This record gives sequence, structure tokens and C-alpha cells, in this order.
Amino acid sequence: AQTVTQSQPEMSVQEAETVTLSCTYDTSESDYYLFWYKQPPSRQMILVIRQEAYKQQNATENRFSVNFQKAAKSFSLKISDSQLGDAAMYFCAYSREGEYGNKLVFGAGTILRVKS
Amino acid sequence: KAGVTQTPRYLIKTRGQQVTLSCSPISGHRSVSWYQQTPGQGLQFLFEYFSETQRNKGNFPGRFSGRQFSNSRSEMNVSTLELGDSALYLCASSLGWGLGLSSYEQYFGPGTRLTVT
Repeated sequence: AQTVTQSQPEMSVQEAETVTLSCTYDTSESDYYLFWYKQPPSRQMILVIRQEAYKQQNATENRFSVNFQKAAKSFSLKISDSQLGDAAMYFCAYSREGEYGNKLVFGAGTILRVKS
Repeated sequence: KAGVTQTPRYLIKTRGQQVTLSCSPISGHRSVSWYQQTPGQGLQFLFEYFSETQRNKGNFPGRFSGRQFSNSRSEMNVSTLELGDSALYLCASSLGWGLGLSSYEQYFGPGTRLTVT
């Protein structure tokens, strides 16, 4: 079974600084998808960034970028120029296509605090 | 495009009762997945429906069931509620078919907070 591990329960960053959240996963598949979701105090899950495993180029969405290391099964999220609105719980998630549909396997999450 | 909607947003039920939660997906999305979020267990997959058929199921007891209608709206039912069923129930929709990432990106609703007393 696939597992996703986020080893940092909590992180802090100063406003305007850069922070990196770690995620590792375990799978025997070669084609899969990886996602980072943000869950602010409102509890609404927001899709931040996505990555296809067969694409070597790291995904980027504005201030958010990933460092995808397929061989190491690592998928870290970098947030540049951190803003107060970035404070939230961040979840790393794994999914893949299959005859049994798709489901997201989530890590335990990392709480990100942004200091002004 | 309107996002995923869930009703009700909050529910308080008593042990032994049953409850039905509703989810309306993004227009054009045919897959609806349900997740349970608790402080202890985190986010766990309950089941996925696609074109009115359950396509995937998580490791939950039979008290948890669901269905999907022809307009892709989905309902989730929990019978004989237990205290441990208190959780945030999240629904997510995706296209659910075809190849490529865009077919499988899941977009979440605001959730239903269920409290069992």
C-alpha cells in the first residue's frame, strides 16, 4: 500500500522569507500524481500545486514550487516570499490512475505558522 | 464555475442515530470521493463514486455507505452513529476519466462537521 510521510508536524517562517515543507512517499508504481493541499483555519482544502511523476520538470505555481526527486521518492514544497495568508495546515497527497478509480492518500500534515 | 458544495455544514446527532450528508460536485465532474478527517487518524478515504457506481472503497465498516445520482450529486450515509464518527467529512470532485493529471485533480468542498453525542 502506498504511504505518505510528512516528518515535520510544525514549521515557522518569518513573513517574506522562504520555507520548505518535506514529504516522502512509498510506492512501487512508476506513474502517479503528487499534490500539495492547503487547509486554512476555515477547513476548506485548497489545491496548491500538482506534479505528474513522469515529468522531470518541477512544477511551479507563482510563489509555490516543488522539488520532485523520483528516485528518492521525495516531494517537497517551497513557499517563497511567505505571506500571513500562507499560514495553514499543508498536506502532501499521492494518487494514481487505475482500474479501481482514484483516491488520495494523505500525509499527516504540517502546520505552517507565519510570523509578522 | 461553482465549486463543490456540501450540506449541511454542521450536524449534531446522538449515538445510534443515522445521518445523511450531501455533496454537489463541480459541473462536468463525474467522480465524487468522500474523506473523513479526525485529529487522531488524519484524512482517510471513505469511497469514490463514478457514474453512479462505487469505484473504490476505503477501510471503513459497512455502517458507512454512499450513492451517486445521475446528475453526479452524491450522498453519504452513516447508520448507528458512534462517538468515534465525530469528524469533518470532506467531499471532493474530479473529472474522473480520461488520461492525465487534469482528470484526477480533486477539488474539495467546505466539509460537514459531524458531532456525535
